[in-house]
Amino acid sequence: NAGVTQTPKFQVLKTGQSMTLQCAQDMNHNSMYWYRQDPGMGLRLIYYSASEGTTDKGEVPNGYNVSRLNKREFSLRLESAAPSQTSVYFCASSEGASGGYEQYFGPGTRLTVT
Amino acid sequence: GNSVTQMEGPVTLSEEAFLTINCTYTATGYPSLFWYVQYPGEGLQLLLKATKADDKGSNKGFEATYRKETTSFHLEKGSVQVSDSAVYFCALRVSGGSYIPTFGRGTSLIVHP
Repeated sequence: NAGVTQTPKFQVLKTGQSMTLQCAQDMNHNSMYWYRQDPGMGLRLIYYSASEGTTDKGEVPNGYNVSRLNKREFSLRLESAAPSQTSVYFCASSEGASGGYEQYFGPGTRLTVT
Repeated sequence: GNSVTQMEGPVTLSEEAFLTINCTYTATGYPSLFWYVQYPGEGLQLLLKATKADDKGSNKGFEATYRKETTSFHLEKGSVQVSDSAVYFCALRVSGGSYIPTFGRGTSLIVHP
């Protein structure tokens, strides 16, 4: 089992460019999440997908879009990157959407927007 | 709403010292509680969890007990090692409630030889 995989690992964008962060899990999990992590801010939820076919906004969705392509894959798109989106992005998955189900995290994508 | 409060870091210890990282929570509903660990340059990984009051989660020498009366889930380890240097996150999820877990801000632990 690879668990949760993310591509790319590192990315540098210029302001206004677009890109898609890819995430895939091989654990047959129903729920998937995108977070960003900034110094002193902890983890902040961008979007989540409780189950295949559904997506919902989290705490900081502005400037991002997501697609739950199938049960395995959940992508995050930046349409027009801004320096404020410089961050480390983590994808996570869990078997269920509530209760005692822990989350499994990917290794992260380190994004710099200049 | 739900919230998790952790002690501010960094926590700096010498090898073999006793570790406590405090975590308290508020929750609407009955939460499950988690500790995650993040090593430098990596994603978070589950360290331990407890799903009901008085349960003790344990893993790799770390322990935490779900205390409903004090709404706490403090992380402890009797003898830390340099390899325990990492950021530790306390988190909760409520059964039947929001799909969104609630995380604390994280506590950085630095262990010196």
